[in-house]
Formats: sequence, C-alpha cells, structure tokens
Amino acid sequence: ILNVEQSPQSLHVQEGDSTNFTCSFPSSNFYALHWYRWETAKSPEALFVMTLNGDEKKKGRISATLNTKEGYSYLYIKGSQPEDSATYLCAFSTSGTYKYIFGTGTRLKVLA
Amino acid sequence: EAGVAQSPRYKIIEKRQSVAFWCNPISGHATLYWYQQILGQGPKLLIQFQNNGVVDDSQLPKDRFSAERLKGVDSTLKIQPAKLEDSAVYLCASSPGVTGKETQYFGPGTRLLVL
Repeated sequence: ILNVEQSPQSLHVQEGDSTNFTCSFPSSNFYALHWYRWETAKSPEALFVMTLNGDEKKKGRISATLNTKEGYSYLYIKGSQPEDSATYLCAFSTSGTYKYIFGTGTRLKVLA
Repeated sequence: EAGVAQSPRYKIIEKRQSVAFWCNPISGHATLYWYQQILGQGPKLLIQFQNNGVVDDSQLPKDRFSAERLKGVDSTLKIQPAKLEDSAVYLCASSPGVTGKETQYFGPGTRLLVL
C-alpha cells in the first residue's frame, strides 16, 4: 500500500515568520509530486508539479524542493502572511498507474 | 476560464437517506475525478473517468455509491443509503488528460453531514 505522509499535521506561526513542511513518499516508481493549497471554503489550488530529482520551484514567497531518491519534498513559506493560512496538501503519482495519492495535509495558521 | 462547479455546497441528511452530488468540469477536460475527504485524512479517490468511461473505481463502495458521467461532461455521484461514516467533503476535480503529471483542477467541494 502506497502511503504519503506529511508533517507536521498543523502549526501556528506569527506573521513574518518563515516556515516549512515535509511530504514523504515512496521513492520507487516515482512519477510526479504535486503541491496544493486549500483555503477554508474554497477549492484546492495547485501550487507546483515537480518531476525531476533536485527540482526547485518558486511562486512568490513559496518555494518547494524535491528529492526523489530519498522520497521527500519540502515546501517553504518565507515571511508568512495571514492569507497563507490554509491546508497544504501534497500528492504523489506513480509511473504506470498515474494514480494520485494524497497526504493528510499540513494545516497552517498564521497569526497577525 | 470557468472553474469546476459543484453543487450543493452543503448537505445534511439522516442515515439511510439518499443524496446526490453534481459536478461540471472545466470545458474540454477529458478526465474527471471524485474524491472523498474525511476529516483528518487526505482526499481519497473514489472514481476516475476518462471521457465517459471508468478508469478506476477500485475504492468506490459499490454497494452504496454510484457515479456516472453523462456524455463525457457533467457527472453525478450518488450515495444510497447513506451511513454515518459517509460524512465527509466530496471533491470533484478535472484535468485535460491522465498522465500523472497534469494538474488537477478542483471544485469547492460538497460538505456532507449524515446524522
């Protein structure tokens, strides 16, 4: 059974703090790793798709790295703002089946 | 570009009742997904359509859940009869294809509470 784990489950940070989360996935049969942001009462929104070992992606204050050999990805938020408060989900897809397997998410609350 | 539409946004029913959810994907997207997200868990794929054919329904509880995709566009997901453990957010998503690298575009979800 393929399992995707995210840590921490939740965290609170002060406005202006930088923070990071981890997504761990099976290193075999890797195809792609997706990051989504899901704000309360809204649709999950795609942040990044990462496919190559060593990939680094950036979107404003948010960036992500990928290590397919050891099976993890980090998401970084620099200078957190209250509008960054959301659940951050990662999803792993395997070669062959292309099925997306989601982690349980990291719930971030940024305090003003 | 219009996003993925879902209705209703919220639904409260009693156990053993029936309920149906509707999804309209982004125009031109061939692949449509239904996910169930129980509180504290990640979204779990229930069923995946490619046009109007089923690609994967291995995790769909077929004794009570059914889904169809009409003419390869809109889709409905039905639960009959509902159980308490069906309380969850039901997310619909669509993507242009089914390569595993493609971004899935999600609707806002339907929050179901079964009493």
